[in-house]
Amino acid sequence: KAGVTQTPRYLIKTRGQQVTLSCSPISGHRSVSWYQQTPGQGLQFLFEYFSETQRNKGNFPGRFSGRQFSNSRSEMNVSTLELGDSALYLCASSLRDEQFFGPGTRLTVL
Amino acid sequence: AQSVTQLGSHVSVSEGALVLLRCNYSSSVPPYLFWYVQYPNQGLQLLLKYTSAATLVKGINGFEAEFKKSETSFHLTKPSAHMSDAAEYFCAVSRFSGANSKLTFGKGITLSVRP
Repeated sequence: KAGVTQTPRYLIKTRGQQVTLSCSPISGHRSVSWYQQTPGQGLQFLFEYFSETQRNKGNFPGRFSGRQFSNSRSEMNVSTLELGDSALYLCASSLRDEQFFGPGTRLTVL
Repeated sequence: AQSVTQLGSHVSVSEGALVLLRCNYSSSVPPYLFWYVQYPNQGLQLLLKYTSAATLVKGINGFEAEFKKSETSFHLTKPSAHMSDAAEYFCAVSRFSGANSKLTFGKGITLSVRP
C-alpha cells in the first residue's frame, strides 16, 4: 500500500507570495492533518480535515488555510508569505488511533 | 489541554550502550502516547504507541516504552544502541477521541551514537 505523498518536496518563494501544498493520504484514510515543523517552535498542529470538513484547528493566523477533496486528498495554502513561514510542512493521514506521516514539503521564504 | 516534556535536547551514547530517552506528559483524560523517529530530510516514522492496553509497549527496531501513570511518564528505551539509531526522536500525546486526532509533540531529542 502506498504511503502518504506530498508535493512538491521543496519550494522557494518570496515574501508576499502565496503557496499551495498538496497531500495524498493512504488509500482508505479519511482524516488528514497538517503540521508545521521549525527549529524554534518544533512540531505544531495546523489543522485536520475529515470527510472534506475541517474538524480541528491549531493556533495559526488566517493566512493558513486548507481544504480536502472528495477523494481525501488535501491542500494547504499560505497567503502573503512571511520569512517566518519557512518550515517543513508535514501531512499525516489517520486510521483509528495512528497517524502516518508523509516526507514533508520544505518551504523556504526569501 | 495536553502537553509533553522531553528533558534535554541531545543525548549521546556509545554503540552497544543503553538508550534512554525521557518523556513526561500532561493530560486531563487518559492519553494515547506515541514515539516517533525522524531521520534527516524525512518525515516522521512511528516507533511505538500506547493506547490503554499493555503498559509495556514494544516497537520497531528493538525499542520499547513503559507507560507509568503514577509518574506521568512514557520513557523510550533500547538495550543496545546501533549507529543507525542516530536520529531525532519525538514523544507525542493525543486523545484520539473520535473527533480529535491532533498530536501534541514534545520538542524532540537528538540521539547521537558514538562508535
